Amino acid sequence: VQLVESGGGLVQPGRSLRLSCAASGFSFRDYAMYWVRQAPGRGLEWVSGITSNSGDIGYADSVKGRFTISRDNARNSLYLQLTGLRPEDTAFYYCARDKDSGAGSYFFDHWGQGTLVTVSS
Amino acid sequence: DIQMTQSPSSVSASVGDRVTITCRASQGISNWLGWSQQRPGKAPKLLIYAASTLQDGVPSRFSGGRSGTEFTLTISSLQPEDFATYYCQQAHTFPLTFGGGTKVEL
Repeated sequence: VQLVESGGGLVQPGRSLRLSCAASGFSFRDYAMYWVRQAPGRGLEWVSGITSNSGDIGYADSVKGRFTISRDNARNSLYLQLTGLRPEDTAFYYCARDKDSGAGSYFFDHWGQGTLVTVSS
Repeated sequence: DIQMTQSPSSVSASVGDRVTITCRASQGISNWLGWSQQRPGKAPKLLIYAASTLQDGVPSRFSGGRSGTEFTLTISSLQPEDFATYYCQQAHTFPLTFGGGTKVEL
């Protein structure tokens, strides 16, 4: 199992960014996927999750209405569209896989190495 | 939202010590609780799920317990590689939430 995030970088407040997570080594279409972030030196914060068929999606209150999660099962890829970025969104963004295929368990058994998003003018 | 209150925020310990970390949920979550370990500069690693089930490959010195809405992670005999930060996470309801973390340091 390998998860590789990309798309992070330095962006000005109010601007947008799209993060990607390329998955390999497992049947991506069978697993729910998640985004979790961690501000430098701080704790973990769940950002968003999406079921295997995109039928159920959830967001943290802190990003609802600004971030959009999606997936392309044909491309084995997970995405996070970030809009209206704020300095407090500065963090490492990790993609993570659900421990269980199918309905899932909401536990994360594999993580990528993260991509850093820095929001600053 | 379900709040996860983790304590202590840090603990000083020595190799061979027994360490217990506590996590309290603001409402009932049954056994939908996991524990993860994060070493500096690394992604988190799942240790325990469903309150007390060890993830594959995790040493048996790690164990999890539950009493009502209070959950514990115990390391029976601390090893050098166990010095890290530990997080609880509720898997009961969206939005999923983590505890604030416990740093186990020498």
